[in-house]
Amino acid sequence: EDKVVQSPLSLVVHEGDTVTLNCSYEVTNFRSLLWYKQEKKAPTFLFMLTSSGIEKKSGRLSSILDKKELFSILNITATQTGDSAVYLCAVVHFNAGNMLTFGGGTRLMVKP
Amino acid sequence: DAGVIQSPRHEVTEMGQEVTLRCKPISGHDYLFWYRQTMMRGLELLIYFNNNVPIDDSGMPEDRFSAKMPNASFSTLKIQPSEPRDSAVYFCASSISRNEQFFGPGTRLTVL
Repeated sequence: EDKVVQSPLSLVVHEGDTVTLNCSYEVTNFRSLLWYKQEKKAPTFLFMLTSSGIEKKSGRLSSILDKKELFSILNITATQTGDSAVYLCAVVHFNAGNMLTFGGGTRLMVKP
Repeated sequence: DAGVIQSPRHEVTEMGQEVTLRCKPISGHDYLFWYRQTMMRGLELLIYFNNNVPIDDSGMPEDRFSAKMPNASFSTLKIQPSEPRDSAVYFCASSISRNEQFFGPGTRLTVL
């Protein structure tokens, strides 16, 4: 059975802290891994990762994929209260068509 | 670009009634996805289309659910008859690359 597991389930930090969110997966015919940020509305796209070891970076956020160990991490440095959200990891895999399996998400709360 | 448009934004109905959710994907996108999000089950892929053709509907929970895409700019998700356990936020997303997906604002469905 295809599965995507995120950890931790939730995290509370203070502004300025650095956080690392984890996503591990077991899927057949992996194609790519996506990270989304979801506040009180629809998920918004952050990163798409297809190759191992190549860091994607956008401002204070960065992410990297390890296809050998089947996981990805999302780092946020110098956190701000606006980073508070649920962060979703999703894996695109081919199983009778291109499928997308989401993890359960990590709820991040950044306190002032 | 208006992004993915969904309607209605909120729907409250009584058990047994038919519910129709609507989605207009981003122009030029050839993939359309329907998701359901609940606290208990997280974000689940229900069905997706490629060039208006349903590719995989294995995520559709049961026969009460059906989805159509009569043309490239419109899709519907219908629940008939609706049940209280169908209460959730339903998202529509579209993509051009089969990877990066752009989500609509969602329809919050409450079945009493």
